[in-house]
Amino acid sequence: GNSVTQMEGPVTLSEEAFLTINCTYTATGYPSLFWYVQYPGEGLQLLLKATKADDKGSNKGFEATYRKETTSFHLEKGSVQVSDSAVYFCALSEGATTSGTYKYIFGTGTRLKVLA
Amino acid sequence: DAGVTQSPTHLIKTRGQHVTLRCSPISGHKSVSWYQQVLGQGPQFIFQYYEKEERGRGNFPDRFSARQFPNYSSELNVNALLLGDSALYLCASSQQGAGEQYFGPGTRLTVT
Repeated sequence: GNSVTQMEGPVTLSEEAFLTINCTYTATGYPSLFWYVQYPGEGLQLLLKATKADDKGSNKGFEATYRKETTSFHLEKGSVQVSDSAVYFCALSEGATTSGTYKYIFGTGTRLKVLA
Repeated sequence: DAGVTQSPTHLIKTRGQHVTLRCSPISGHKSVSWYQQVLGQGPQFIFQYYEKEERGRGNFPDRFSARQFPNYSSELNVNALLLGDSALYLCASSQQGAGEQYFGPGTRLTVT
């Protein structure tokens, strides 16, 4: 079945460092891909998304490109801040019709800790 | 517009008890999905409802059930609670059965 694999955390960086969180997926068809962020004690917030191959999603300085050839959707940010400390989840959509099940498959999450 | 709302925020139950969690979708959204997030893991799909009908079910035992009401709000019920049911339960809504899902803040259930 479809699956998402994320790099294990925690990832610890100094403020202003470059961030990469790796995400690869296995899927039949052409799913949409997402990055969600979860701050302590909170639910999931959509960070960015891409709906087809070569699309680049971006938001708040974060970017990720949908790479069909490598089945990857790596999250990057050029300069992280302490406020970026959170857990990041990569996800794909499975099913795409209004008459069938449509659900998200999530990775296990990567905890990011940014030190001042 | 209000986002997805869930109640209660936190809940503590004893093994063997029953629990009901509630979710109100974004206005105009007709589909609600439920996910379970165990500590340290990603959310796992439990159910999807669209137009008050069950559209899909994840790999969860029959102790888990749900329903959607005419106003598109939803309830998740769990019977005979086990310690392993302790988790954050997330509700997500979308306009149709397919399409981007918007998540609520979750209900944290602790089973003792």
